[in-house]
Amino acid sequence: AQSVTQLGSHVSVSEGALVLLRCNYSSSVPPYLFWYVQYPNQGLQLLLKYTTGATLVKGINGFEAEFKKSETSFHLTKPSAHMSDAAEYFCAVSVGSSNTGKLIFGQGTTLQVKP
Amino acid sequence: EAGVAQSPRYKIIEKRQSVAFWCNPISGHATLYWYQQILGQGPKLLIQFQNNGVVDDSQLPKDRFSAERLKGVDSTLKIQPAKLEDSAVYLCASSPDLAVRNLFFGSGTQLSVL
Repeated sequence: AQSVTQLGSHVSVSEGALVLLRCNYSSSVPPYLFWYVQYPNQGLQLLLKYTTGATLVKGINGFEAEFKKSETSFHLTKPSAHMSDAAEYFCAVSVGSSNTGKLIFGQGTTLQVKP
Repeated sequence: EAGVAQSPRYKIIEKRQSVAFWCNPISGHATLYWYQQILGQGPKLLIQFQNNGVVDDSQLPKDRFSAERLKGVDSTLKIQPAKLEDSAVYLCASSPDLAVRNLFFGSGTQLSVL
């Protein structure tokens, strides 16, 4: 069965530092992978997605993620953190056939950005 | 374009009471999802509609939860009777079709069961 594990429920970085949020997945078929961001009292917003093709995916707000099949990982990075990046981040994998069906979400990682 | 609309924004009820949430998806979106997000956890799919038909309701506690999407547009999720463990944010999402690459979320309804 497909599943997602996000390593670290809380990550704290200084403003301007590298952001690294870890995500590992389990899937018996080639996965579609997603990162969503959730700001307080708001719904989820898509940051980026991997479907097929290039394994390095660029998203909004300077974030990017790399699909590594050998490591079953899809870690999210940003070279320089900004105060506005403080939020909850969710990694997700699609279930079912590659491009249909439902999303399975990880537990989430809260990103804190210190001035 | 207008986003996914949900109401109410907040709801506080006592256990064993009933509650209903409403969702209006983005115009033209055929697929509608209800997710439950318990504090500290990721969202969990409760039910998925394609137009007015149910695609997946395997995670819906059918003894107390029900959902409908009459006419294939807006949708209502109901809990009757509510339990303490139902306290969560209920998120509605929609997409143009079954391809989850294009999933748009509403702001959610925060339910507190006392």
